[in-house]
Amino acid sequence: AQSVTQLGSHVSVSEGALVLLRCNYSSSVPPYLFWYVQYPNQGLQLLLKYTSAATLVKGINGFEAEFKKSETSFHLTKPSAHMSDAAEYFCAVENAGGTSYGKLTFGQGTILTVHP
Amino acid sequence: GAVVSQHPSRVICKSGTSVKIECRSLDFQATTMFWYRQFPKQSLMLMATSNEGSKATYEQGVEKDKFLINHASLTLSTLTVTSAHPEDSSFYICSAGRGEVEELFFGEGSRLTVL
Repeated sequence: AQSVTQLGSHVSVSEGALVLLRCNYSSSVPPYLFWYVQYPNQGLQLLLKYTSAATLVKGINGFEAEFKKSETSFHLTKPSAHMSDAAEYFCAVENAGGTSYGKLTFGQGTILTVHP
Repeated sequence: GAVVSQHPSRVICKSGTSVKIECRSLDFQATTMFWYRQFPKQSLMLMATSNEGSKATYEQGVEKDKFLINHASLTLSTLTVTSAHPEDSSFYICSAGRGEVEELFFGEGSRLTVL
């Protein structure tokens, strides 16, 4: 069984400030981890993913996340927020292994608001 | 890039009727598609795995006779909510996998409201 917890359903930052969106997971087997972003009326777009290679993963739009096994965390960060980053962000986990391909367990989402 | 499209994006229906939602992969073939539903302020929950040319695999607790899935071609999967009730009102999202790479593409979702 696997689960994902995103701490904070809403996060608000000022433009130019650090963005930190928290994600903790539980998984009985080595996980693959993902961050997705969803803009209004659009589908989920992959920001980045961890698939057992480098623990620090760089994604699109300046986002990155670090896999910390000891903390079972995969927090998403961006050094400087931009107005266009305002969206809903989802953390997801998938059990590594072919039989679980595509079967993602999602967190409840975090809505990021960026203030001018 | 790859695009997955869902139709309709919004649908309102009366209780007791059936509603079909389509999920299409526009520029790649998808042997496997996945259907999720999302209740307000909750996370996406996997409902079923749609396999081209074979029966769908449903997650525990999902009624296969209520949520009919058909994956008749490599670019189209459909989800039919049969005899819809207000509690079926939700946001339904599909995703499609391309090749053997861990790469999934999501549709824009379909919001179902059952009156």
